Amino acid sequence: GNSVTQMEGPVTLSEEAFLTINCTYTATGYPSLFWYVQYPGEGLQLLLKATKADDKGSNKGFEATYRKETTSFHLEKGSVQVSDSAVYFCALSPYSGYSTLTFGKGTMLLVSP
Amino acid sequence: GAGVSQSPSNKVTEKGKDVELRCDPISGHTALYWYRQSLGQGLEFLIYFQGNSAPDKSGLPSDRFSAERTGGSVSTLTIQRTQQEDSAVYLCASSSTRGADYEQYFGPGTRLTVT
Repeated sequence: GNSVTQMEGPVTLSEEAFLTINCTYTATGYPSLFWYVQYPGEGLQLLLKATKADDKGSNKGFEATYRKETTSFHLEKGSVQVSDSAVYFCALSPYSGYSTLTFGKGTMLLVSP
Repeated sequence: GAGVSQSPSNKVTEKGKDVELRCDPISGHTALYWYRQSLGQGLEFLIYFQGNSAPDKSGLPSDRFSAERTGGSVSTLTIQRTQQEDSAVYLCASSSTRGADYEQYFGPGTRLTVT
């Protein structure tokens, strides 16, 4: 079956540090990949997505590249801010379309001033 | 432009009682999803409705869980004879089925505590 594995947190960084949150997946076929973010006290929202190999999703300074050869979709940001403190979830859907999502367990990011 | 709404936002119930959780999707969205977020299991898919098709119930953890969607809009998730392991945040999401925007928009969730 499909599965997503992401690094356990919390990840603690100082403001302006470089961020990487690792995500690897197991799926058959050609899944679509997503990063969702959950800010404190708020609902889950889509951060970025990629629907095919070598695609790069980007939003709010975050980036992730769909690597089929390593089955990975690592999240990166060059300079984090305190406002980036949140829980980040990597997810996949089995194809590009209307389908259920399989999530990783989430990684909490804490950024201090 | 209202988003996905869920009610109640918090529910405390005694073990063995039945509970109903409600989801109002974004108007016009024909796909509706229920997920559960718990400390031990992370975010898990429960059930998926798409238009008039039979729902995908493959994620429901037991026959105590059921869901319906009336008129292609509002959905109710029912948990019968609640157990302490049912304590979690229940999330609803909806998506459009038009064009290429199949992004799932999530509601704020219902936090269920079974005592």
